[in-house]
Amino acid sequence: AQSVAQPEDQVNVAEGNPLTVKCTYSVSGNPYLFWYVQYPNRGLQFLLKYITGDNLVKGSYGFEAEFNKSQTSFHLKKPSALVSDSALYFCAVRDMNSGNTPLVFGKGTRLSVIA
Amino acid sequence: DGGITQSPKYLFRKEGQNVTLSCEQNLNHDAMYWYRQDPGQGLRLIYYSQIVNDFQKGDIAEGYSVSREKKESFPLTVTSAQKNPTAFYLCASNQGGGSSYEQYFGPGTRLTVT
Repeated sequence: AQSVAQPEDQVNVAEGNPLTVKCTYSVSGNPYLFWYVQYPNRGLQFLLKYITGDNLVKGSYGFEAEFNKSQTSFHLKKPSALVSDSALYFCAVRDMNSGNTPLVFGKGTRLSVIA
Repeated sequence: DGGITQSPKYLFRKEGQNVTLSCEQNLNHDAMYWYRQDPGQGLRLIYYSQIVNDFQKGDIAEGYSVSREKKESFPLTVTSAQKNPTAFYLCASNQGGGSSYEQYFGPGTRLTVT
């Protein structure tokens, strides 16, 4: 079975400070990992994904994520937070060997960037 | 929100009525999905379809039905059997042929049943 945990319901950070949104996963094989962002009353927007290769993945809007196989983690990071980054963030996983099956999502982390 | 259209954005219905939510995509994607989002519960999978004329139940399919007669369309019907239908509904799609493809989401439909 596949699963994703986002241990923090809410993350608060001051504007200009670095931010981290945590994600850990569980799959039986090797993972494909994804991050999405959701603004109020909108659909999810894709930020970045890890498939293979470099463990540090760069995505949209200055976000990046680091894949750590030994810790089964895929934390989302940004060096300097903006107030406009305030949103709901979802981590998702799919087992590499599962074919075209639905992504498994975490419950989301609400990021609040304070000016 | 890419090439996925969901209509309407807001929908109001009386209890006991069936209602159909529209989802159309122009991305030529093989797979389509329906999720329900409630506050604090993340996304829960209702139904998905990997190919035309075929679909599978997700985690919370009871009280819902779908059809996939065309590649670009995947409508969701919320029936009167759904005990708590008020929620935000999201449609998504992705390319077929592999597991590395991200899902693209529509803008969502907020359904309120009173």
